[in-house]
Amino acid sequence: GAVVSQHPSRVICKSGTSVKIECRSLDFQATTMFWYRQFPKQSLMLMATSNEGSKATYEQGVEKDKFLINHASLTLSTLTVTSAHPEDSSFYICSARGLAQLTHEQYFGPGTRLTVT
Amino acid sequence: GNSVTQMEGPVTLSEEAFLTINCTYTATGYPSLFWYVQYPGEGLQLLLKATKADDKGSNKGFEATYRKETTSFHLEKGSVQVSDSAVYFCALRRVDAGGTSYGKLTFGQGTILTVHP
Repeated sequence: GAVVSQHPSRVICKSGTSVKIECRSLDFQATTMFWYRQFPKQSLMLMATSNEGSKATYEQGVEKDKFLINHASLTLSTLTVTSAHPEDSSFYICSARGLAQLTHEQYFGPGTRLTVT
Repeated sequence: GNSVTQMEGPVTLSEEAFLTINCTYTATGYPSLFWYVQYPGEGLQLLLKATKADDKGSNKGFEATYRKETTSFHLEKGSVQVSDSAVYFCALRRVDAGGTSYGKLTFGQGTILTVHP
């Protein structure tokens, strides 16, 4: 099946610094990638949708200048949390979707646990 | 707008018990329906799906039937195992009358399942 990886799986950073999270589709071309945020014991909140080669579309209430998303290739998207604060601590999950029949569904990465101290 | 409502958890069962997790939805158009499972510390995995009314999705002993008349997609399993302990998310993806699929998934709040030996 289609595999999506995320790196790092866990990251701890100091308040005020920036942290980058990578999302890769390992065996298919992901024309669309989605970034979600999940708070403890809660559902997933879609943050933004990115199509390869174009600007990301952010959901209402998500600060695009704080959560920078780049989808420069068909296998890689990055989420950069800029000037991180403790309230940004969360579990960030990406998913990827391709155009081919078998990859038309969303495939999720394993998530990245961000802790801001 | 689109929304998904799941029964509140947590659900605690003994091994080999029967499982039902209720899911109802509100959507325009003709949504596709999904169940995802999230094991501790991991991302989401697609468990099963159904794309039209009366379709039954099934996988690993789990089943769910797309009921348009009751706008429901309840998850069932006849005999749960300890290894089924996880969080289960019901989700929908909107599809319009022309068959155009909108990539965004709308998730329910998740139901925590714990199975004891």
